[in-house]
Formats: sequence, C-alpha cells, structure tokens
Amino acid sequence: EDQVTQSPEALRLQEGESSSLNCSYTVSGLRGLFWYRQDPGKGPEFLFTLYSAGEEKEKERLKATLTKKESFLHITAPKPEDSATYLCAVQARGTSYGKLTFGQGTILTVHP
Amino acid sequence: GAVVSQHPSRVICKSGTSVKIECRSLDFQATTMFWYRQFPKQSLMLMATSNEGSKATYEQGVEKDKFLINHASLTLSTLTVTSAHPEDSSFYICSARDPQGQDNEQFFGPGTRLTVL
Repeated sequence: EDQVTQSPEALRLQEGESSSLNCSYTVSGLRGLFWYRQDPGKGPEFLFTLYSAGEEKEKERLKATLTKKESFLHITAPKPEDSATYLCAVQARGTSYGKLTFGQGTILTVHP
Repeated sequence: GAVVSQHPSRVICKSGTSVKIECRSLDFQATTMFWYRQFPKQSLMLMATSNEGSKATYEQGVEKDKFLINHASLTLSTLTVTSAHPEDSSFYICSARDPQGQDNEQFFGPGTRLTVL
C-alpha cells in the first residue's frame, strides 16, 4: 500500500527565516511526486511534479527536491503570503493516471 | 494552468435529502475526473474516479449507491450524495487531469462545503 508521511505537522516561521518541509513516501514504483499548496477553504493549487531521484524544481521562493525515499520543499526567505498547508502526493506506476495518495500536509505559518 | 470549477461552493441540507455537486473543466476536456473528500485538518482522500461515458471506479470503503457519480460529457462530472446524513458533512473536492498537460498534474476545483443538519 502506498504511503505518504509529511513532517512537521505544523511549522511557524518568522518572515525571512528559511526552512524545509519533508515528505517521506513508500510506493510500488513511483510515477510522480506532486507538491500542492492549499489555502483554507479552497482546493489545492499545483506547485511541482518530480519524477526521478535527483530532480529539482524551483518556483519563486520554493524549491522541491527528490530522493528515492523522500522529497523536500525548501522555502527561502518566506513571506506571510506563503502561509498555507503544503500537501505532498504520490502517484504509483500501474495505477490509473491521476490516482494520487496524499500526505496529511504541513501547515506553514509565516509571521511578519 | 487549467481551470476546474465546482458548484455550489457551499450547501446546507436536511438529513435524508440528496445533494448534487457539479465539477466542470473550463478550458480543457477531461476524460477522467476525480472526487475527494477532506475532513477538517485532514488530508484528501480519494473517493472515486469518474470516467466519461462509463461507470465510475470507487475506492474501497466508499458506498457507490450513496455517492452517485455521473460523467456525461468531457467537461462535466457530478457527485450526488443520496440520503445525506450528518456524518456526510465534509469538504468535497473534484479534480481533473489535462491530457495535454506537460507535467501530469491534476487541477483541483475550489471545493464544496457540505453541511447536513
């Protein structure tokens, strides 16, 4: 059974204080690992897809990296508007396209 | 990115009634859409995969007779919660994959908050 575990559950940062969120996964053959951002009361917003170990992707203050067992979402010099829940999900080979298994998320709060 | 809409955004109903939620892909055709539910402070749980022109595929533990899914066109899927009860109160979110997309990502709707009294 595919499993995704995110840590920490909650993270409080001061504006400008860089940090990382962790996503550990076990999957029977990884097709893709996805990062999403979710604001309260809204649907998830797509951030990145990573496909193979060693891959990195960046978008503004965010950088996602991938190993064979985990992914990190690095946040550099965060701003209050980066406050949200960050979700990690995996898609396994051999499953229908689109079937995602989500972690429980990390609630990020950035204080000014 | 591609846009997915949901309607209504919020619904309150009495126990025993049925509620229909619509999910539309606005700028792309989606042969497959997905329905999730999310309880407060919990992650998304896939309920079912909606396939255009065929029966939906339900995840283990999801009652197909209670959560009716219809995917009548390439841009519309509907989820009907039949004989709703308070324990069905949740945040329901749909998503769709753009077959033309480069990153294999799913695009999510804004969600529907269902409250059953």
